[in-house]
Amino acid sequence: DVKVTQSSRYLVKRTGEKVFLECVQDMDHENMFWYRQDPGLGLRLIYFSYDVKMKEKGDIPEGYSVSREKKERFSLILESASTNQTSMYLCASSFEGIGRLQPQHFGDGTRLSIL
Amino acid sequence: GDSVTQMEGPVTLSEEAFLTINCTYTATGYPSLFWYVQYPGEGLQLLLKATKADDKGSNKGFEATYRKETTSFHLEKGSVQVSDSAVYFCALKRNYGQNFVFGPGTRLSVLP
Repeated sequence: DVKVTQSSRYLVKRTGEKVFLECVQDMDHENMFWYRQDPGLGLRLIYFSYDVKMKEKGDIPEGYSVSREKKERFSLILESASTNQTSMYLCASSFEGIGRLQPQHFGDGTRLSIL
Repeated sequence: GDSVTQMEGPVTLSEEAFLTINCTYTATGYPSLFWYVQYPGEGLQLLLKATKADDKGSNKGFEATYRKETTSFHLEKGSVQVSDSAVYFCALKRNYGQNFVFGPGTRLSVLP
């Protein structure tokens, strides 16, 4: 079974802090993703990565950055946290299988509150 | 751009009732289609999937058929249980790259 592990289930930080959310997958997946989930808006893609040190902006990258130094680990960074970044953050990974159906596998999420 | 639309929730049903959650999509080409389920306090889990027109995905009593002519992928279950209470997300995978596009989710509550 694929295991995607997010480092924290709940996190409380203050406005202006630099915040790191960590995600690790154990299935050697090439692709990793960060989403935020908000009521009524569903999941919105922040960033994704298709290889080590490679990253692509998603639909809402402003205020965020990412780091992928190792294949199994994908970090989301809030450079200067703001209250509008209070949300549930979900990490996902998938296998790079061109022409095949490769679903995304999700972690349990990190509920982040910015005070 | 690509998008997924789902019926607004919440949906409240009695146990053993028939479930339909509507999903329609807009996409260029021929995307793959998915239903994910999120139980309280957990991440999303893949429920079922379909890759081409007329494919039927099924799992745990849930079914959905890829209808290209109506650009739909409605989720159905003949007899729901209390344990099916969750949020259900319809999603498409673009046929370029590895990006997914998710619908807003539909919350289902099943009462005993």
